[in-house]
Amino acid sequence: SQTIHQWPATLVQPVGSPLSLECTVEGTSNPNLYWYRQAAGRGLQLLFYSVGIGQISSEVPQNLSASRPQDRQFILSSKKLLLSDSGFYLCAWTVGTATYEQYFGPGTRLTVT
Amino acid sequence: DQQVKQNSPSLSVQEGRISILNCDYTNSMFDYFLWYKKYPAEGPTFLISISSIKDKNEDGRFTVFLNKSAKHLSLHIVPSQPGDSAVYFCAASHFGNEKLTFGTGTRLTIIP
Repeated sequence: SQTIHQWPATLVQPVGSPLSLECTVEGTSNPNLYWYRQAAGRGLQLLFYSVGIGQISSEVPQNLSASRPQDRQFILSSKKLLLSDSGFYLCAWTVGTATYEQYFGPGTRLTVT
Repeated sequence: DQQVKQNSPSLSVQEGRISILNCDYTNSMFDYFLWYKKYPAEGPTFLISISSIKDKNEDGRFTVFLNKSAKHLSLHIVPSQPGDSAVYFCAASHFGNEKLTFGTGTRLTIIP
């Protein structure tokens, strides 16, 4: 069965510090991968998605970037965090266009102080 | 432009009664709709979906209704249970689109 991992679970970082959040998927090949952010009291905002290694689509111009160095690994990064980057970050996967359903990881709570 | 809207940020329902969560969309290209349930500090979990070729899909206590002419869908939970207390997101997509567009969510509270 497929499993998605995210780490760390929680993170407190000062403004201006770098960020690296990692997401890995097990039990599937060539998944589509997604990064979402849920800000306090807000819905799910799609940040990036990837349909293959090295292929990244950005949805919202921001202080963040994403990379996909391996088929089942998706990384969210920032060189300098802003206060507005605080939120709950979620990674999700789906298998190509065979299905619309996306499956989410446990999330990372990021607090920028 | 919010293409998927959940106009009720919160809803309280007595245990055992029916919960009805609503969702409206504006993009007529959407042909597949999903509902997700989210507990605090956890990722959303897929609940139920419906294709635009149907107007109803049922799975146990959960039923989703789609009214294409009104661009409206709803999720019915019968009977409501305390474990149903969560935030519910509707989402939509269309053929060939790798992305889901989510609504802003409705927080459902089941009162014992």
